[in-house]
Amino acid sequence: DIVMTQSPDSLAVSLGERATINCTSSQSVFHSSTNKNHLAWYQQKSGQPPKLLIYWASTRESGVPDRFGGSGSGTDFTLTVSSLQAEDVAVYYCQQYCGLPRTFGQGTKVEIK
Amino acid sequence: QVQLVQSGAEVQKPGASVKVSCKTSGYTFTDYHLHWVRQAPGEGLEWVGCINGNSGGTHYAQKFQGRVTMTRDTSSSTAFMDLSRLTSDDTALYYCARETWFYDSWGQGTLVTVSS
Repeated sequence: DIVMTQSPDSLAVSLGERATINCTSSQSVFHSSTNKNHLAWYQQKSGQPPKLLIYWASTRESGVPDRFGGSGSGTDFTLTVSSLQAEDVAVYYCQQYCGLPRTFGQGTKVEIK
Repeated sequence: QVQLVQSGAEVQKPGASVKVSCKTSGYTFTDYHLHWVRQAPGEGLEWVGCINGNSGGTHYAQKFQGRVTMTRDTSSSTAFMDLSRLTSDDTALYYCARETWFYDSWGQGTLVTVSS
């Protein structure tokens, strides 16, 4: 199984400041069949199902604000919120869809400082 | 628009079984795989398994092998997850999610509580 590890487990950021979340996979999630990194990011607000933010490691889902950005390749990935807003308080998960079983990171809780 | 609507909360006793449904609309059911993901209270996301909406073929996480059965009814565009021999560790929110490689649409979740 591909193990996904996020860091940090939680972070507190001032409004308008940058939040950075890292995700490392135990093996590369780059797939030669698609020539892409099979890595997604989800946002889960309290009491809601997860919501897709980023796929193919860096493609923003339609409707997601452009302050959310994804980067990285192979085994190391980053989700950046360039200017944190109050509505961004949530838990963020990375997930690989390179193989089965699908696996998620443990989650990173983002709060306002 | 794509919608996944799950069945209501369940309370079951240890050793019992539970069947959760996920009724889909707004897309062609047989064109996609449907996955099930669970979340224990205060915990992260755990993949349970998936079903091919067209063929009905399934893949299950190893820890659920022998206890989980996923089926679908193409006439009603509904997927089902049956989990047997429940224990308190199965208390969780169970989500269905449509896969387009990644999960672009999710159900609202079904809370399954296992308690004597």
